[in-house]
Amino acid sequence: GENVEQHPSTLSVQEGDSAVIKCTYSDSASNYFPWYKQELGKRPQLIIDIRSNVGEKKDQRIAVTLNKTAKHFSLHITETQPEDSAVYFCAAILSGAGSYQLTFGKGTKLSVIP
Amino acid sequence: DTAVSQTPKYLVTQMGNDKSIKCEQNLGHDTMYWYKQDSKKFLKIMFSYNNKELIINETVPNRFSPKSPDKAHLNLHINSLELGDSAVYFCASSRTGGSSYNSPLHFGNGTRLTVT
Repeated sequence: GENVEQHPSTLSVQEGDSAVIKCTYSDSASNYFPWYKQELGKRPQLIIDIRSNVGEKKDQRIAVTLNKTAKHFSLHITETQPEDSAVYFCAAILSGAGSYQLTFGKGTKLSVIP
Repeated sequence: DTAVSQTPKYLVTQMGNDKSIKCEQNLGHDTMYWYKQDSKKFLKIMFSYNNKELIINETVPNRFSPKSPDKAHLNLHINSLELGDSAVYFCASSRTGGSSYNSPLHFGNGTRLTVT
């Protein structure tokens, strides 16, 4: 079925280093790709999103790249800080049974080591 | 002034009981959702609903039913609770659903359901 694959499931980096999380999707018609950050015990919150008409988007230390041909997109966090530690989810709009649903990857637990 | 609010925050109950979780959004969004997050942190959509259409994830047992008194509210009713229903349930809303999706999801703070 239609799904979103996310890798890695866990990621540890030293403070100041970069972190990269990658996702692939199956529906070539997908046109919206958000990333959510979920801190322990809290709700997922949108940190950045990208639409299919652009290949890259940046917001301070966070960037997302999209390769529609290969059907994959990535989150890049530079100069990581301890407060970046959280679970990150990618998502994509997937169609199925005549409807469109925002489907999430399984999450990446990022740990930034001081 | 929380945009998406759900109650209760915690819910502990015994197997076989029936319970409800309430959700309200004040963002003026036209589509609301329920997601289930299990112990492995997987976020799975259960329902999406706007004033025209209810879309049910086929994997959701029919013991779960959404009820929407108006477009600002989407409550979740669960009958005959089972141990496997224990999870965190998130309500969410967005401005537009469908293929012309252009509005991010706003999540509530979640309801941690524990079935004993």
